[in-house]
Amino acid sequence: KAGVTQTPRYLIKTRGQQVTLSCSPISGHRSVSWYQQTPGQGLQFLFEYFSETQRNKGNFPGRFSGRQFSNSRSEMNVSTLELGDSALYLCASLSGRGGNEQFFGPGTRLTVL
Amino acid sequence: GDSVTQMEGPVTLSEEAFLTINCTYTATGYPSLFWYVQYPGEGLQLLLKATKADDKGSNKGFEATYRKETTSFHLEKGSVQVSDSAVYFCALSYNTDKLIFGTGTRLQVFP
Repeated sequence: KAGVTQTPRYLIKTRGQQVTLSCSPISGHRSVSWYQQTPGQGLQFLFEYFSETQRNKGNFPGRFSGRQFSNSRSEMNVSTLELGDSALYLCASLSGRGGNEQFFGPGTRLTVL
Repeated sequence: GDSVTQMEGPVTLSEEAFLTINCTYTATGYPSLFWYVQYPGEGLQLLLKATKADDKGSNKGFEATYRKETTSFHLEKGSVQVSDSAVYFCALSYNTDKLIFGTGTRLQVFP
């Protein structure tokens, strides 16, 4: 069974731009969560989607948004990028049918210049 | 609110030494507890988990026991290898699927 895939793996943007990151969960998994990892703040929960609905949301500004498609693939978008948005963005999938083991992708490394 | 506290790193050990990484938690309910490992340039891999008090999670020689009385979930391994060098994260979650992580502990094992 293929694991969680994230694209792109690396991204360089400038301040003020926007960016879209993609995550494909493990086949059959219906829940996708997003996390931001930075040296200063560590791993922080962004949001979680299940069956195309946002089910949980972390404490991030409205510039951070996401969505999930009917095939469970998810995208997150960051608008008006700031230098502090430079981070590793990790996506995790789980089946959503009980059990809470999350499987993580390799992440997208975003650098904002 | 809920939180996880891990010991500061880096932890530096010689190969075959005994490893302990401390983790304590604060929780309003009864969460599941996890240890994740992150190798350089990679995402997180689940190492082990425990879903209720007194459960012991184990994998690849690593163990951790869910101690409700001390709100702890310390990670141990009897004999570390160079290949165990990585960053280790303790985490908790409820059925809402949101993971709350500790700050991570870097382990460096030298031959």
